[in-house]
Amino acid sequence: EVQLVESGGGLVQPGGSLRLSCAASGFTFSSYWMSWVRQAPGKGLEWVANIKQDGSEKYYVDSVKGRFTISRDNAKNSLYLQMNSLRAEDTAVYYCARDRRTFTVYYFDYWGQGTLVTVSS
Amino acid sequence: QSVLTQPPSASGTPGQRVTISCSGSSSNIGSNTVNWYQQLPGTAPKLLIYSNNQRPSGVPDRFSGSKSGTSASLAISGLQSEDEADYYCAAWDDSLNGHWVFGGGTKLTVL
Repeated sequence: EVQLVESGGGLVQPGGSLRLSCAASGFTFSSYWMSWVRQAPGKGLEWVANIKQDGSEKYYVDSVKGRFTISRDNAKNSLYLQMNSLRAEDTAVYYCARDRRTFTVYYFDYWGQGTLVTVSS
Repeated sequence: QSVLTQPPSASGTPGQRVTISCSGSSSNIGSNTVNWYQQLPGTAPKLLIYSNNQRPSGVPDRFSGSKSGTSASLAISGLQSEDEADYYCAAWDDSLNGHWVFGGGTKLTVL
């Protein structure tokens, strides 16, 4: 059974940092792209970043470029999101999602339960 | 402002058929396949439709998807109370080195 379990969320002051983790199990982690998707309170879904199987390619939404870094450790079946210079508008539930890519068909087929990040003084 | 445009709300009575639209552009829906996600209250999103019209295992055939040009739609037939949820469309966008885009979401109410 595929499982994605996020951790590391919490309350942080503006300008602060936080590192999110996503523990994957039930599939060959090193064979899949992975993404972070966030959802601000009462708002819709927003893709944040994704990373290729070997970490050689990473993409980010413009609003987090230069502040967030996505990474992975295939030996530990784990995905990470280092978030620096946090702003109030980064407040959201952050989901880890398996970013399935088959030829020209792309989709998120599994999601974690999410971890809440609150940026406030 | 979301890149993909969905109506903010939709409603129907039990047994009815409802459709939710999703409008994009040539760089996203026009070039790539569309996916739909269902988010029940207080839970994580769940894949409902992928590759325009494919249902993952376990998704009832009451749910169907279609795509034409730069637009897509999700249809739910035989509406049930447990279908009350938020629905999001999504597609890969080829512009700006590539990125995922979502619709703003449609809140479906079963009257």
